Amino acid sequence: KAGVTQTPRYLIKTRGQQVTLSCSPISGHRSVSWYQQTPGQGLQFLFEYFSETQRNKGNFPGRFSGRQFSNSRSEMNVSTLELGDSALYLCASSLAPPEAFFGQGTRLTVV
Amino acid sequence: DQQVKQNSPSLSVQEGRISILNCDYTNSMFDYFLWYKKYPAEGPTFLISISSIKDKNEDGRFTVFLNKSAKHLSLHIVPSQPGDSAVYFCAAYAYSGAGSYQLTFGKGTKLSVIP
Repeated sequence: KAGVTQTPRYLIKTRGQQVTLSCSPISGHRSVSWYQQTPGQGLQFLFEYFSETQRNKGNFPGRFSGRQFSNSRSEMNVSTLELGDSALYLCASSLAPPEAFFGQGTRLTVV
Repeated sequence: DQQVKQNSPSLSVQEGRISILNCDYTNSMFDYFLWYKKYPAEGPTFLISISSIKDKNEDGRFTVFLNKSAKHLSLHIVPSQPGDSAVYFCAAYAYSGAGSYQLTFGKGTKLSVIP
């Protein structure tokens, strides 16, 4: 059974640009959550999607957004990138709470 | 306000000895706790979990203890092996309405097992 797949693995962007990250959950999992990991803050919850609906959102500015498609694949978008957005972005898929299975993450570097 | 705290950023243990990683929480609404292990440049890997109605859960070399009155949990690894060297995250879950849920993570403890 394939795990959670995140693409791309690495990304370098310039301040002010926007970026889109993709996540394919484990087959059959309908819940997809996104987390940001930075050295100082640990893993912080961004948002969760279930059946194409955002069910919960963390304390991040509106520049961070996401969506989920009918096949449960999810994308997150960050607009007007700032240096502080450099982080490892992790996607997790779940069949039933509370266990979540994580992908390998996308390392975003903003220069 | 950090609801899940791992107060030890790092821990070094000799191979074969016991590793004890600690986690404290403040939110009494948490009803499920999980431990994840993370290697650099990889996503966290689920290790073991415990429901708030239990005080102990065991899986091979890994045991998690929960003390609800103290709002404290710990992960015991016995015996410790060099391959256990990684960052360990404690996470807690509370139902957050509309069927949604999110995990609240501690900042992690880096375990180094010395051969």
